[in-house]
Amino acid sequence: DQQVKQNSPSLSVQEGRISILNCDYTNSMFDYFLWYKKYPAEGPTFLISISSIKDKNEDGRFTVFLNKSAKHLSLHIVPSQPGDSAVYFCAAMDGSEKLVFGKGTKLTVNP
Amino acid sequence: DAGVIQSPRHEVTEMGQEVTLRCKPISGHNSLFWYRQTMMRGLELLIYFNNNVPIDDSGMPEDRFSAKMPNASFSTLKIQPSEPRDSAVYFCASTRQGTREQYFGPGTRLTVT
Repeated sequence: DQQVKQNSPSLSVQEGRISILNCDYTNSMFDYFLWYKKYPAEGPTFLISISSIKDKNEDGRFTVFLNKSAKHLSLHIVPSQPGDSAVYFCAAMDGSEKLVFGKGTKLTVNP
Repeated sequence: DAGVIQSPRHEVTEMGQEVTLRCKPISGHNSLFWYRQTMMRGLELLIYFNNNVPIDDSGMPEDRFSAKMPNASFSTLKIQPSEPRDSAVYFCASTRQGTREQYFGPGTRLTVT
């Protein structure tokens, strides 16, 4: 049973516009959430994270929003750039060190 | 600083052979994780170590899989005997005590024919 779900396998946006990637989770014990970016033939790269005591965290063009009551988080990229084209994974942790990943969303940013 | 180092990057072997994957974590990191990525199951944790001690191996699929961490700078994941369904990309990741962000290596693409 998937505890972290990314329901959109792919997303295509125009350069300069906003990209919104969504993630839902089922385990109420999760208290820390992370987004990773992955290029082909490379390992996942940490992008941004958020603790469950916050509802927003911002880092440059990247913002993560957390809605605990809905068990939903989203990653906003503004403005989107062609170099942002990659697979984005949502991941969650409970009090342990174990990361539980979603299956990823492939983002394509068109010039 | 060097990132997580994995070797080999690609491995092709025949069913029944032993396969050993290697990982060198980032210096100063005290937790090490082994993940497997497949199309069907995505990225899943196999086992992780803290200060060289295995903490949770509940993700290891079968007794054919084993992992060791003899010292703080080296870990191996061994599959013996290998089977075609073990074909996947295997990632190693590490993290420093007190932080939760894991840093991944480039992965080993394993193909078992």
